[in-house]
Amino acid sequence: GNSVTQMEGPVTLSEEAFLTINCTYTATGYPSLFWYVQYPGEGLQLLLKATKADDKGSNKGFEATYRKETTSFHLEKGSVQVSDSAVYFCALSEGGSNYKLTFGKGTLLTVNP
Amino acid sequence: DTAVSQTPKYLVTQMGNDKSIKCEQNLGHDTMYWYKQDSKKFLKIMFSYNNKELIINETVPNRFSPKSPDKAHLNLHINSLELGDSAVYFCASSHLVGGSGNTIYFGEGSWLTVV
Repeated sequence: GNSVTQMEGPVTLSEEAFLTINCTYTATGYPSLFWYVQYPGEGLQLLLKATKADDKGSNKGFEATYRKETTSFHLEKGSVQVSDSAVYFCALSEGGSNYKLTFGKGTLLTVNP
Repeated sequence: DTAVSQTPKYLVTQMGNDKSIKCEQNLGHDTMYWYKQDSKKFLKIMFSYNNKELIINETVPNRFSPKSPDKAHLNLHINSLELGDSAVYFCASSHLVGGSGNTIYFGEGSWLTVV
């Protein structure tokens, strides 16, 4: 079956540091890949997505590239802010009648001033 | 103009009680979902409905019964609540047809605490 593995947290960075959160996946077909973010006490928001190999998703300074050869979708940001503190979830979906998201376990990011 | 709205946001109840969480979406989507987030933040799908028809039913105790009166609503009823049911329950919606790139939109979550 499908699965998503992302780096264990928590991750603690200083403001303006470079961020990488690793994500790899296993899928039977050709999935789409997503990063969702959950700010403290809030629901899930889509951060970015990529629907085919070599696509790059980007939003709010975050980027992730769909690498089929390494089955990866690592999240990066060049300069984090305190307001980026949240839990980040990598997820995949495959088309078909049982469309759903399969999530990784989440990575807690804390950015200190 | 909340796209996916669920109520209540917080619910504290005693073991053995029956409770419901309601969900509505105004995005015109044909598919709705319930996800459960446990205390370790792990998210797992419970149910999915497409046009009021159940299409995904993961291994969930039959104390949990979803109901979809129309494609804009998906409610979750839980009977005989147990301590282990304490979690955050997220409602979500999306289009089904169109391939794997369809974005799934989530509500703000319902924090259920069973005491």
